[in-house]
Amino acid sequence: AQSVTQLDSHVSVSEGTPVLLRCNYSSSYSPSLFWYVQHPNKGLQLLLKYTSAATLVKGINGFEAEFKKSETSFHLTKPSAHMSDAAEYFCVVIPGYSSASKIIFGSGTRLSIRP
Amino acid sequence: EAGVAQSPRYKIIEKRQSVAFWCNPISGHATLYWYQQILGQGPKLLIQFQNNGVVDDSQLPKDRFSAERLKGVDSTLKIQPAKLEDSAVYLCASSLDAATAGQGDQETQYFGPGTRLLVL
Repeated sequence: AQSVTQLDSHVSVSEGTPVLLRCNYSSSYSPSLFWYVQHPNKGLQLLLKYTSAATLVKGINGFEAEFKKSETSFHLTKPSAHMSDAAEYFCVVIPGYSSASKIIFGSGTRLSIRP
Repeated sequence: EAGVAQSPRYKIIEKRQSVAFWCNPISGHATLYWYQQILGQGPKLLIQFQNNGVVDDSQLPKDRFSAERLKGVDSTLKIQPAKLEDSAVYLCASSLDAATAGQGDQETQYFGPGTRLLVL
């Protein structure tokens, strides 16, 4: 079965320190992987996506993620957190064996930034 | 470019009543998705349309939920009758054409602001 697990429901970091949001997936096929961000009372916005090209993917607002097939992980990182990064982050997997592959969202990680 | 539009933004109803949500995708987007996001959880795909045809509705509770996209543009999602557990945010998203994007290269989904439903 295909699945995605976000290992932390809540992460809190100080402003200016690194951010790490962890995501593991399970897929029998070459997956497409995404990170979306959801600010309060706003729609989901794409941060970055992996679609079988370079394993290190750079996204908006200084975020990046690395696809590690051997570890079935797609962790999201940022070198220095900013107050505006406080939001809910979702890891998404699409197994990729057909155009109708079931899209699976993780349960989300709430990122808090301490001044 | 206008984004995905949804209405209403908020709706409060009593259980056993009916409710309908509307979504207008980004112009030219062939694929449209409806998601249910319960508080504290990630969005769950309810139904995916390719133009006016259904691609995936395996997680749609068909005894009470229905959706249509008659002209392949805007879409409506209906709940009849509503239950307490239907309280959630209903998200609509669209993408250019998931069917032709190729394996491993799914098109990016663009999300609307959502409709927050409270069933009392």
